[in-house]
Amino acid sequence: DTGVSQNPRHKITKRGQNVTFRCDPISEHNRLYWYRQTLGQGPEFLTYFQNEAQLEKSRLLSDRFSAERPKGSFSTLEIQRTEQGDSAMYLCASSPLDRGTYEQYFGPGTRLTVT
Amino acid sequence: GQQVMQIPQYQHVQEGEDFTTYCNSSTTLSNIQWYKQRPGGHPVFLIQLVKSGEVKKQKRLTFQFGEAKKNSSLHITATQTTDVGTYFCAGERGSTLGRLYFGRGTQLTVWP
Repeated sequence: DTGVSQNPRHKITKRGQNVTFRCDPISEHNRLYWYRQTLGQGPEFLTYFQNEAQLEKSRLLSDRFSAERPKGSFSTLEIQRTEQGDSAMYLCASSPLDRGTYEQYFGPGTRLTVT
Repeated sequence: GQQVMQIPQYQHVQEGEDFTTYCNSSTTLSNIQWYKQRPGGHPVFLIQLVKSGEVKKQKRLTFQFGEAKKNSSLHITATQTTDVGTYFCAGERGSTLGRLYFGRGTQLTVWP
């Protein structure tokens, strides 16, 4: 399967714990995006990378959230001191840079539940 | 606040009826994309519109981009049960290229 993969698919954690999610984009894609989606809402932009550079980060993202893409391939999203409001589906997407369209290919997501 | 508004939030139709969802942005968009998310699935890209007044068709699906590049619509003719899912529009602004602003989506249910 050459699509976007995310691990883990599900994560249950207690409030106050730290969690880290991983995303492996489609191999030739330069851009990688992180979104958060809650029930009944569209994906909400968190941040995106072009190769290893983090180009934009949502103002909605608190200092507890950090993302990295150290070698321009896979990416990690870490949430520190989780809160119940962090419970959501975290989606990763990737897109190629060198085409006329910037369609994004989404992974299956990591569902986070904070108890 | 919400950058891209989408209506209706829910739509229930009988198989064979038509369906339309509308998307409106408070600011001019550089392009707009449409995605479909099946229940329990992830968003899947359908199409991108770039030009003012652009119309594109994919079989029974017709996509339009408004002249002012602030609104868009998706129309499905003669719905089928396979059309079930949530349809999202997502706009990109020139000042923040690469960042998509998703609408809330329209959840389509098709009764056989």
